[in-house]
Amino acid sequence: GQQVMQIPQYQHVQEGEDFTTYCNSSTTLSNIQWYKQRPGGHPVFLIQLVKSGEVKKQKRLTFQFGEAKKNSSLHITATQTTDVGTYFCARAREYGNKLVFGAGTILRVKS
Amino acid sequence: EPEVTQTPSHQVTQMGQEVILRCVPISNHLYFYWYRQILGQKVEFLVSFYNNEISEKSEIFDDQFSVERPDGSNFTLKIRSTKLEDSAMYFCASRASGGANEQFFGPGTRLTVL
Repeated sequence: GQQVMQIPQYQHVQEGEDFTTYCNSSTTLSNIQWYKQRPGGHPVFLIQLVKSGEVKKQKRLTFQFGEAKKNSSLHITATQTTDVGTYFCARAREYGNKLVFGAGTILRVKS
Repeated sequence: EPEVTQTPSHQVTQMGQEVILRCVPISNHLYFYWYRQILGQKVEFLVSFYNNEISEKSEIFDDQFSVERPDGSNFTLKIRSTKLEDSAMYFCASRASGGANEQFFGPGTRLTVL
């Protein structure tokens, strides 16, 4: 129903390598949000995607929303140690009520 | 930059005791939320609050839980009789009105039930 599936669960990369996490839903999403949670921290909003096929960039981060609005991805180019943390996708109903979070992808970066 | 604050940062309690977790949302926000995160797991929605009433609650939010906005700034979560499985990090979040969907999370309260 409302669940969003997120893969991989965990990724350990060498500094400078790229990283991608994927979020999938069985139903059409009105929007998808991405949050980052540093170890021991709280979720921090990164971005919201609303339009079919939308692509947004924030420096080394690229966010995509699928054409069918059932999947999304976050890609980090040339990871740095500051990128470590857990990246969550979350769906919200159109008028932004509760967030339903994916399981998250834990990113570790080896320097 | 305005931020959501939460107190205490860590609460240890005995099973069966009542706890109150406190939050001060961002001042011009109108929508308030509580989420919890069991260690190593995903963030789970508990309850949303708007216009001085609960707008939605999850299955987790049973009769042992209640929320209150006692004044113009505080937003509290009360657990009447804590259970071991209530041990988790509890996050408060708030959101502005006008269709903005971004939720601002507080630093969390780590609740440990012994």
